[in-house]
Amino acid sequence: GAVVSQHPSWVICKSGTSVKIECRSLDFQATTMFWYRQFPKQSLMLMATSNEGSKATYEQGVEKDKFLINHASLTLSTLTVTSAHPEDSSFYICSARLAGLSYEQYFGPGTRLTVT
Amino acid sequence: QKEVEQNSGPLSVPEGAIASLNCTYSDRGSQSFFWYRQYSGKSPELIMFIYSNGDKEDGRFTAQLNKASQYVSLLIRDSQPSDSATYLCAVNIGMRGAQKLVFGQGTRLTINP
Repeated sequence: GAVVSQHPSWVICKSGTSVKIECRSLDFQATTMFWYRQFPKQSLMLMATSNEGSKATYEQGVEKDKFLINHASLTLSTLTVTSAHPEDSSFYICSARLAGLSYEQYFGPGTRLTVT
Repeated sequence: QKEVEQNSGPLSVPEGAIASLNCTYSDRGSQSFFWYRQYSGKSPELIMFIYSNGDKEDGRFTAQLNKASQYVSLLIRDSQPSDSATYLCAVNIGMRGAQKLVFGQGTRLTINP
């Protein structure tokens, strides 16, 4: 149980274009999903918290107009990187928290984004 | 002071020995603590969580929590080469309804055959 998928697993795009990443909880409902970014040899950095049916909460320093998050259902959240630049190249990982009182987060396999 | 601190390592342990990973945290109000394992190029995998003071055992893994000392640890018994990875300590912080995990920088563990 507690399986989270992400699509695509990797993507290469040109500078100035937009990229959408999907995160799905496959066997449970997730009222809350999280989006992280990880640069090489660094720890996870939380970008935003996504709650189903409401606006995402962004961490300090994360541009909400650049990283658009939509959590349309209890099993799907999307992250769109708009007008991507080479410095946006990173490993983007989503996680989902079980609905209810549980605090455990389960991670998707991640999406490696390369902007050329 | 960082919210969650870990020794970045690398920590090198011979196969079959006990690997001990440590983590301290700054928020005294934190109630839940997690250990994740991350292989190179992969996303983190949850291996243990602990909410109460004391020890929690799951197979070869034991998590230990001491809230008074704001300290959580992970012991790996009978270490195997496949345990070689980066281990991330995470602490749940924030008010109810707005909680999030804060991660340490991770400890890189190498098990030597």
